[in-house]
Amino acid sequence: DTGVSQDPRHKITKRGQNVTFRCDPISEHNRLYWYRQTLGQGPEFLTYFQNEAQLEKSRLLSDRFSAERPKGSFSTLEIQRTEQGDSAMYLCASSLSANYGYTFGSGTRLTVV
Amino acid sequence: KNEVEQSPQNLTAQEGEFITINCSYSVGISALHWLQQHPGGGIVSLFMLSSGKKKHGRLIATINIQEKHSSLHITASHPRDSAVYICAVLNTDKLIFGTGTRLQVFP
Repeated sequence: DTGVSQDPRHKITKRGQNVTFRCDPISEHNRLYWYRQTLGQGPEFLTYFQNEAQLEKSRLLSDRFSAERPKGSFSTLEIQRTEQGDSAMYLCASSLSANYGYTFGSGTRLTVV
Repeated sequence: KNEVEQSPQNLTAQEGEFITINCSYSVGISALHWLQQHPGGGIVSLFMLSSGKKKHGRLIATINIQEKHSSLHITASHPRDSAVYICAVLNTDKLIFGTGTRLQVFP
């Protein structure tokens, strides 16, 4: 297992288009988190899963955002009708549980033009 | 006011200097993480601590739960330590991040 993988690394899209990102966590990790980071800021929580159950969603996650983790393995984050304000780094992290260490992916950098 | 505050925001140092980065938080926590982020975005976990002190190589992290304060120290700093250092606290099952401290170490 080589850690947390995110795909794609970079995505440029036109405003109004839909985009989907994928995160493959460490296989034995039950928890999977999505964060968003804008330039010069720390990451902000978006949502997290315990196995396949989505346990919490931030109010930052508007109805244009949806996340899934089918079968408790990989996760996808979809943004519909992208806006310029969605431009950010989208980070995925996984852990065995809340009180264990986190492993982060390299992120997907989204640019909406 | 942010729930996690770091200082300084930017830090420059000469190689060999002792570095201290501070983190204060205002919420209840079950643990505190120190993370390192390099250009390009990848984040590496340095420490997770809930009390006392931890040491790994030239890095030392301390936490004072009563004062809601943590420090990250780097001894004998090196140019390869140049990165953004982020403090994050574990609150109700999720991490709340500080805005980071950008460290540049010059030879």
